[in-house]
Amino acid sequence: DAGVIQSPRHEVTEMGQEVTLRCKPISGHNSLFWYRQTMMRGLELLIYFNNNVPIDDSGMPEDRFSAKMPNASFSTLKIQPSEPRDSAVYFCASSRDNLPPYNEQFFGPGTRLTVL
Amino acid sequence: QQQVKQSPQSLIVQKGGISIINCAYENTAFDYFPWYQQFPGKGPALLIAIRPDVSEKKEGRFTISFNKSAKQFSLHIMDSQPGDSATYFCAAGDDKIIFGKGTRLHILP
Repeated sequence: DAGVIQSPRHEVTEMGQEVTLRCKPISGHNSLFWYRQTMMRGLELLIYFNNNVPIDDSGMPEDRFSAKMPNASFSTLKIQPSEPRDSAVYFCASSRDNLPPYNEQFFGPGTRLTVL
Repeated sequence: QQQVKQSPQSLIVQKGGISIINCAYENTAFDYFPWYQQFPGKGPALLIAIRPDVSEKKEGRFTISFNKSAKQFSLHIMDSQPGDSATYFCAAGDDKIIFGKGTRLHILP
């Protein structure tokens, strides 16, 4: 049974370039979460979707960040333009539902983003 | 308030000892308190979780103790093993969860 799939696993880009991170949630899960992990700030929730609808995007740092979920099996997180301070590991997670007892979040392997 | 405060930042325990990690939350509306375990290069994975209607939950060597009045909860790892060396995150919330900053646990062989 495939877990959450993220691509790419590593991304190195130059400041000012557009970056697109991709996520395929576990089949049958209807909640999807994007997180950013850094040493300084820990694991921060950026945005979460329920049934493909964005529910809470209060964690999105600024207008350079955008996320979409066009269908139940795919989501993207886009950074345009990218800056060095965006360097981090970005995780996607999915859960069967967004409320207990079905809200265990399953995390993908992450995308390590380096912006030069 | 949405913060979840976790301590200590790092912890070294001898093999066979008890590892204890503490967390405190502020929002009394939170009703779900999970602990996640993360190994280097991997995403976090759920270890154990508790709801506020119980004061303790045990799964194998892992126990959550929950004090609703103090708004605190803790993870105890009994008979700690080198394979338990990882980063542990507490979290709290409801439809979305807020993570603590993490504790790097190292078990000495």
